[in-house]
Amino acid sequence: AQRVTQPEKLLSVFKGAPVELKCNYSYSGSPELFWYVQYSRQRLQLLLRHISRESIKGFTADLNKGETSFHLKKPFAQEEDSAMYYCALRAGGFKTIFGAGTRLFVKA
Amino acid sequence: NAGVTQTPKFQVLKTGQSMTLQCAQDMNHEYMSWYRQDPGMGLRLIHYSVGAGITDQGEVPNGYNVSRSTTEDFPLRLLSAAPSQTSVYFCASSYPRGDSYNEQFFGPGTRLTVL
Repeated sequence: AQRVTQPEKLLSVFKGAPVELKCNYSYSGSPELFWYVQYSRQRLQLLLRHISRESIKGFTADLNKGETSFHLKKPFAQEEDSAMYYCALRAGGFKTIFGAGTRLFVKA
Repeated sequence: NAGVTQTPKFQVLKTGQSMTLQCAQDMNHEYMSWYRQDPGMGLRLIHYSVGAGITDQGEVPNGYNVSRSTTEDFPLRLLSAAPSQTSVYFCASSYPRGDSYNEQFFGPGTRLTVL
């Protein structure tokens, strides 16, 4: 079955601390993975995708097929990073499966 | 470009009432989809469309109907609303990139309450 698991509903860190939002997936095919972010009173938007291997707003995510993970990391959290983060899996065709989301709260 | 637009922003229904949530995009995207967002459950796919005249079911299609008569519009119909359909509904659109990934562009959402 296709599934995306984000084990933490809420993650609270201090400003300047490293942050890691966990994402594990279950998919028998070749996965395409994304991180979407929803800031307060804004639309859900793409943050980054695994195939680009890019860093956006200081965030990176590496696909680990052995551990079936796609964790989102940032070495130094900022207050403006506080948001809801969703990991998503494109599971063949157009279907995209989202995780339950992790709310990140960065404390001053 | 307005991007993806949704109307209404808020709606309160009584059990058994019907209504249509509107979604439109002006980016000429072929793919459109409807999600519902519930606390602790993330976004769940209701229905999607890969082009005008073509629709298919997602994870939670029961109680919802869709149609896609034009590229721009993808309305979601609730035939007989139930309290379990209280949720925030998001419409999204995307475009094909061959075998590669497709970024989805989301609308602002419709908050629906069914009493």
